[in-house]
Amino acid sequence: NAGVTQTPKFQVLKTGQSMTLQCAQDMNHNSMYWYRQDPGMGLRLIYYSASEGTTDKGEVPNGYNVSRLNKREFSLRLESAAPSQTSVYFCASSVQREDPTGELFFGEGSRLTVL
Amino acid sequence: GDSVTQMEGPVTLSEEAFLTINCTYTATGYPSLFWYVQYPGEGLQLLLKATKADDKGSNKGFEATYRKETTSFHLEKGSVQVSDSAVYFCALRVNTGFQKLVFGTGTRLLVSP
Repeated sequence: NAGVTQTPKFQVLKTGQSMTLQCAQDMNHNSMYWYRQDPGMGLRLIYYSASEGTTDKGEVPNGYNVSRLNKREFSLRLESAAPSQTSVYFCASSVQREDPTGELFFGEGSRLTVL
Repeated sequence: GDSVTQMEGPVTLSEEAFLTINCTYTATGYPSLFWYVQYPGEGLQLLLKATKADDKGSNKGFEATYRKETTSFHLEKGSVQVSDSAVYFCALRVNTGFQKLVFGTGTRLLVSP
């Protein structure tokens, strides 16, 4: 059972380049999320999609765009990468927006370095 | 706003020692509380949860009790193992509106044989 799959796992970019992080889940979850993890900062929510066809800003959306392509896939795009976007990015999904268990299922992460 | 504060790490223990990782929170309303664990090279996974005051969450020998009076949710384990070495995140979800988790900064636990 694959769960949440992120690609690529590692990426090095130069300042100003663009790239897209891909995420897919096979658990038929309604909601999907993108977080970034930085030392001493914990996980911060970038964008989320409560259900197919909707996306909303999280805590730190500047410099990012997202697309909920279908129920399975939720991509994160950096249009013009900056060194401040060097981070580990996690995609997550959950059953539904009002799931009382609150459990999120995470991918293994994508480590992005911007030079 | 809603926030979670965890003790800074790393926490270094010998195998079979007692573990406590402190977590306190600030939230409007009555949040649900969670501990997530991140093993090296992996994503986060849910360790345990508590959804109302005085609830005790438990899993894999870990326990945490939702203390409303002290706004705390400290993680404990009576006897740690080397395999418990990981980063532990305390998180809250406010039970209104969309389900978004607010995470603490994480506490790294290192257990030596």
